Amino acid sequence: AQTVTQSQPEMSVQEAETVTLSCTYDTSESDYYLFWYKQPPSRQMILVIRQEAYKQQNATENRFSVNFQKAAKSFSLKISDSQLGDAAMYFCAYNENKLVFGAGTILRVKS
Amino acid sequence: DADVTQTPRNRITKTGKRIMLECSQTKGHDRMYWYRQDPGLGLRLIYYSFDVKDINKGEISDGYSVSRQAQAKFSLSLESAIPNQTALYFCATSAPWTSDNEQFFGPGTRLTVL
Repeated sequence: AQTVTQSQPEMSVQEAETVTLSCTYDTSESDYYLFWYKQPPSRQMILVIRQEAYKQQNATENRFSVNFQKAAKSFSLKISDSQLGDAAMYFCAYNENKLVFGAGTILRVKS
Repeated sequence: DADVTQTPRNRITKTGKRIMLECSQTKGHDRMYWYRQDPGLGLRLIYYSFDVKDINKGEISDGYSVSRQAQAKFSLSLESAIPNQTALYFCATSAPWTSDNEQFFGPGTRLTVL
């Protein structure tokens, strides 16, 4: 079974600084998708960014980018120019018809 | 209007009661899912349905049942609620025609079992 591990229960970042959230996963498949979801206090699940395993280029969405290392099965999220609105729980997820989530990382942004 | 809705948004009930959580979607998606979220565990899949006649158990189906009444409706039932079913429950949908099977989540239902 696929597993997803987020080793950082909590992270803090100063406003305008950069932070990286870690995620590793385990799978025997070669083609799959990986996602990062954001869950603010409103508890809504919001898709932040996605990565297809076959694409070597790392995905980027505005201030959010990933470092995808397929051989190492690592999928970290980098948030640049952190803003107060980035404070949330972040979940890494592996997708092969069904989503498998990591335990989440709480991100706190200090002003 | 929200594409995926869940009712109720919050519910407090007592041990042994039967509870139904409802999910409706206007996205036209065939695939629907129920997850529960617990602190430190992330979201875990309870049941999923890829079309109206298809129901599949997920990782943690014990103590739960589901009904897919229509393409747009997928209900989760707790036949006899117990305190360790206290959690945040999410419904999600996805379309089979997308290569990445992106899932769209409802707003969640906070369930407390006393």
